Amino acid sequence: EVQLVESGGGLVQPGGSLRLSCAASGFTFSSYEMNWVRQAPGKGLEWVSYISSSGSTIYYADSVKGRFTISRDNAKNSLYLQMNSLRAEDTAVYYCARVRDTAMVGWGQGTLVTVSS
Amino acid sequence: SYVLTQPPSVSVAPGKTARITCGGNNIGSKSVHWYQQKPGQAPVLVIYYDSDRPSGIPERFSGSNSGNTATLTISRVEAGDEADYYCQVWDSSSDHRWVFGGGTKLTVL
Repeated sequence: EVQLVESGGGLVQPGGSLRLSCAASGFTFSSYEMNWVRQAPGKGLEWVSYISSSGSTIYYADSVKGRFTISRDNAKNSLYLQMNSLRAEDTAVYYCARVRDTAMVGWGQGTLVTVSS
Repeated sequence: SYVLTQPPSVSVAPGKTARITCGGNNIGSKSVHWYQQKPGQAPVLVIYYDSDRPSGIPERFSGSNSGNTATLTISRVEAGDEADYYCQVWDSSSDHRWVFGGGTKLTVL
């Protein structure tokens, strides 16, 4: 069974940092591109970041560029999102998603990040 | 940046056909994917590459894409189809590589 399980969310103060993880199982993780997508409370979906299967190509949304860093460890079947200089507007559920071509074919259950003092 | 426009809400009676539109400049030249999201759950891909259905998605779900509008069509709507639906494209013309529409709340009357 294909599974993506996010972890690492929580409450953090503005300006703080958090590292999200996404554990993959049930498929050959190293063969798949991956995305992070977030959803603010009561709002729509927003793409955050992309990483190629090897990790050699990375993209970010303008809203997080320079503050967030995506990475992966194919040996550990894991995807990461390092989030620095967090702002209130970063409050959201963060999903990792498996990418096939340009579609997101599988999603984790999400992890909630709350930025508040 | 590329913008996708969806109606905020669509209502339909059970057994009828629901059509959810997704507007974008020359969207017919792009591949459109559709996701269903039920309350408290993660999104699920229901249509990819304009009109293909992943395994496990009922044939009642179909899609089309032409000109400036892509459409998700749900035939013989059931109560369990009530959800938020999002269209999505990949845009290589800007830094906004993956673009979502604002979402449409489908209400089954």
